[in-house]
Amino acid sequence: GESVGLHLPTLSVQEGDNSIINCAYSNSASDYFIWYKQESGKGPQFIIDIRSNMDKRQGQRVTVLLNKTVKHLSLQIAATQPGDSAVYFCAEIPPVLQGGKLIFGQGTELSVKP
Amino acid sequence: ETGVTQTPRHLVMGMTNKKSLKCEQHLGHNAMYWYKQSAKKPLELMFVYSLEERVENNSVPSRFSPECPNSSHLFLHLHTLQPEDSALYLCASGAGTTSYNEQFFGPGTRLTVL
Repeated sequence: GESVGLHLPTLSVQEGDNSIINCAYSNSASDYFIWYKQESGKGPQFIIDIRSNMDKRQGQRVTVLLNKTVKHLSLQIAATQPGDSAVYFCAEIPPVLQGGKLIFGQGTELSVKP
Repeated sequence: ETGVTQTPRHLVMGMTNKKSLKCEQHLGHNAMYWYKQSAKKPLELMFVYSLEERVENNSVPSRFSPECPNSSHLFLHLHTLQPEDSALYLCASGAGTTSYNEQFFGPGTRLTVL
């Protein structure tokens, strides 16, 4: 079956540095991608999304990059803060005819050192 | 506050017990979801309800029985569970059943089956 995976299960960064979390997806037909943040004791929280007709989208301190050629997704967090410490999940959505439901990756744990 | 609440937050039960998880959303959404989140595994979609009708059941064992009495409430009835069912059970709601609609997650119920 199709899967969504993350290159790094854990990432430790210094406060103020930029963070990059990577994700590989395998369904080239997926046309929508989402990044979620899950803090300890909480459910996943939507961060940013991107459609397959885009290669970059920016939010507040976050940027998502999509490279369809190599089926790679990344989340960049600028000036990482202690409050950014969490597990980050990427999720892809295959076309409706292939299920059309969110498929989540395993997650990357981001730890921010003060 | 995501607008999605779940009770209880923690539950310990024996394999012969019967218990229920409750989810309530205050966002006016018409779709609700149950997910299972196990350690070191991606979120797994269990059930999808749209307008109180079940629209998807992802091959979930019959010892898990969902109920959606109205668009604001979702239950997951549990009976004769196995230790491997121990996990975080997350409820989510959305404006529609396609995953293009952002899903809002509750904090989850941490379930331990002894």
